[in-house]
Amino acid sequence: DADVTQTPRNRITKTGKRIMLECSQTKGHDRMYWYRQDPGLGLRLIYYSFDVKDINKGEISDGYSVSRQAQAKFSLSLESAIPNQTALYFCATAETLVNEQFFGPGTRLTVL
Amino acid sequence: GENVEQHPSTLSVQEGDSAVIKCTYSDSASNYFPWYKQELGKRPQLIIDIRSNVGEKKDQRIAVTLNKTAKHFSLHITETQPEDSAVYFCAASWSGGSYIPTFGRGTSLIVHP
Repeated sequence: DADVTQTPRNRITKTGKRIMLECSQTKGHDRMYWYRQDPGLGLRLIYYSFDVKDINKGEISDGYSVSRQAQAKFSLSLESAIPNQTALYFCATAETLVNEQFFGPGTRLTVL
Repeated sequence: GENVEQHPSTLSVQEGDSAVIKCTYSDSASNYFPWYKQELGKRPQLIIDIRSNVGEKKDQRIAVTLNKTAKHFSLHITETQPEDSAVYFCAASWSGGSYIPTFGRGTSLIVHP
């Protein structure tokens, strides 16, 4: 079945380290999103991309960067991780003009 | 930008009771309102959605209502079952080219057997 996958699923790192979270999809969707989930704060948008050459900041992009390497791949980087970036990170995809989002399984990141 | 408020943050019911989760939105241009269910340790999944040209939509035990004038929409679950226990998120967006939904903070629904 077509799916959205994320690697790694869990990661523990130290303050100041560079971290990359990867998202791949076999759904053939053009649109990809990165969200952060914190207890009680819901899903907050970090970055989104509507095609390979399109990158846009979301509401909480500070401290993060992204790369859309191909239609199927969208990576999130933390250049210098800090403890308040400890969270559950979700990648999501959507087909253009079809509003349902499909989420990956999530990456649990802990920054010590 | 859009702002979505969701209440309550936690809802505890007995099996068989009904549950109602309410959301309000701020941007009158929003015309698409999805609801996602996230079971413990799992990814969010769409369970029902409604567009602004419809006042109510049902799918078996779940229904969503929309009041455009008041800018609020609600999720109704009847005859709750333990497997309904999850976090539910509402969202609001314009459904056009730039689809960027704004999510509520989530409601943790606990259904006691």
